Amino acid sequence: SQKIEQNSEALNIQEGKTATLTCNYTNYSPAYLQWYRQDPGRGPVFLLLIRENEKEKRKERLKVTFDTTLKQSLFHITASQPADSATYLCALELDSSASKIIFGSGTRLSIRP
Amino acid sequence: EAEVAQSPRYKITEKSQAVAFWCDPISGHATLYWYRQILGQGPELLVQFQDESVVDDSQLPKDRFSAERLKGVDSTLKIQPAELGDSAMYLCASSSSQQGRYGYTFGSGTRLTVV
Repeated sequence: SQKIEQNSEALNIQEGKTATLTCNYTNYSPAYLQWYRQDPGRGPVFLLLIRENEKEKRKERLKVTFDTTLKQSLFHITASQPADSATYLCALELDSSASKIIFGSGTRLSIRP
Repeated sequence: EAEVAQSPRYKITEKSQAVAFWCDPISGHATLYWYRQILGQGPELLVQFQDESVVDDSQLPKDRFSAERLKGVDSTLKIQPAELGDSAMYLCASSSSQQGRYGYTFGSGTRLTVV
């Protein structure tokens, strides 16, 4: 069955450093992958989408890579700030014909001043 | 900025009672999703609509859950009877494309507590 794994432990990073979050998947080949941010008690907020033919995508201080050989995506936040503290979810397309995506369980990121 | 509206934000109900959640997606978004998120886990799809039609409800516990989107705009998710294990955040999302390749816009969710 399809499986998505994100860093199970919370990530604590010093302000100003680069935070790197990992999303690994098995048993299928998604055409694209999405990253979301979720604050406590709120719905996820879409950040970035990367397609299988794209190796890297950037948006301001965010960078996402997608390695279809390793079946892994890395999510980077450069020059991290306390306001970046949140849970970050990756989501993969499960079936392009039915447009189903499945979410990982998320990684909680804390940026300390 | 356009938002997905959900109500209520919080709901406490006794087990065996009925409960309903409402969602109004972004105007023009034909695809609407209901997700359930248990604390510490990622959202799990319950049902997907394309306009007023159900595209996928394979994970919806149909013995107690029902969902409708009668005019292809707003949607209601109902649970009857509620069970203790239904306590979770219920999230509604919409997308401008059926393939969701432009990301989903989520509402703030309804936090359900069954006592």
